[in-house]
Amino acid sequence: GQQLNQSPQSMFIQEGEDVSMNCTSSSIFNTWLWYKQDPGEGPVLLIALYKAGELTSNGRLTAQFGTTRKDSFLNISASIPSDVGIYFCAGRVYGTASKLTFGTGTRLQVTL
Amino acid sequence: NAGVTQTPKFQVLKTGQSMTLQCAQDMNHNSMYWYRQDPGMGLRLIYYSASEGTTDKGEVPNGYNVSRLNKREFSLRLESAAPSQTSVYFCASSEQSDTQYFGPGTRLTVL
Repeated sequence: GQQLNQSPQSMFIQEGEDVSMNCTSSSIFNTWLWYKQDPGEGPVLLIALYKAGELTSNGRLTAQFGTTRKDSFLNISASIPSDVGIYFCAGRVYGTASKLTFGTGTRLQVTL
Repeated sequence: NAGVTQTPKFQVLKTGQSMTLQCAQDMNHNSMYWYRQDPGMGLRLIYYSASEGTTDKGEVPNGYNVSRLNKREFSLRLESAAPSQTSVYFCASSEQSDTQYFGPGTRLTVL
């Protein structure tokens, strides 16, 4: 099946720092999504990307659809304690309708 | 509007026991999904239902069965639970093919 490699696996940062994480695929995707999962909860959609090169923001979060269609990036600026959680990328391949492939997640911990 | 609900929240089974995980959504979505989440492996699709009356296998369907009871409900059944099925199970629904809304999860332990 599809493989999505997400890095880093985990991050410990100080409040106020910026965060960068990325996701790479062995195949081309036509949609990239970024989800956040709080402890004990299900994932919640943060940003959706539909076009190669697209750059989309949601508050302090900015995500980009890589130009090769095989990667995506998520940046969080000026991190705060509530940013703690696991961030997942997900991709959808042409012709697979509703099926998403998820990355392995980046666990973010923020220290004061 | 509760979104996606799942029952139970927690369950402990012995090897060989059976159980059904329930999922319901009140957003009138056509598509519903079952995922399992294991440490370091992200979310993997077990089964999905693109619309009422249809179901299809995902990445890891072995040992599971599903029923799309109606547009609102999509259940996941383990006929003979195995320790390898210890996991957190998430149900999701969507109207469009990408914006999936997830339930709170069921934490299953098989002894």
